[in-house]
Amino acid sequence: KNQVEQSPQSLIILEGKNCTLQCNYTVSPFSNLRWYKQDTGRGPVSLTIMTFSENTKSNGRYTATLDADTKQSSLHITASQLSDSASYICVVSGNNAGNMLTFGGGTRLMVKP
Amino acid sequence: DVKVTQSSRYLVKRTGEKVFLECVQDMDHENMFWYRQDPGLGLRLIYFSYDVKMKEKGDIPEGYSVSREKKERFSLILESASTNQTSMYLCASSTGSSEHYNEQFFGPGTRLTVL
Repeated sequence: KNQVEQSPQSLIILEGKNCTLQCNYTVSPFSNLRWYKQDTGRGPVSLTIMTFSENTKSNGRYTATLDADTKQSSLHITASQLSDSASYICVVSGNNAGNMLTFGGGTRLMVKP
Repeated sequence: DVKVTQSSRYLVKRTGEKVFLECVQDMDHENMFWYRQDPGLGLRLIYFSYDVKMKEKGDIPEGYSVSREKKERFSLILESASTNQTSMYLCASSTGSSEHYNEQFFGPGTRLTVL
């Protein structure tokens, strides 16, 4: 069964600090992996996408890594800001008919001043 | 920019009522999706559609139906709302032209409470 597991479930950090969120998946065959940011009361918005051949992708202060061999991804946030407080969802797409998505449960990040 | 809109941000209904959740996208996307999001469970797919008048069951279709009469509009219907359908409902759309870069664009969500 395709699964995506994220850790930690929640995280509180001080403004300006760095943090790393983890995503492990068992989706096979693999097509791509996305990290979404979901602000409270809003729909998720895509931050990064990585395919099998990519092992790192940056979007401003967000850097995602992918190890397709161990089926792990991480999202590193540098110099956190209050606006980074949100849920971060790891989403894996299978390379099959329909390219259906498997969603992780998300990590809820709170950045405190 | 892709825009996906949902008819209501907040909705309160009574048990047994028929509920319609509307979703409209303005990017001529072929694919549209309905999810529900619950704490600790993440997003779960209810129904999706690849084309007008076409629908496919997702992971949790029980108690729901959908309608796609026009390409831009995808409706989720709760025939007889129950308290366990209290949830955040998210609509999404994506283009069908790429096999791999199938980013789904999400609407703002509808928080439904069934009393």
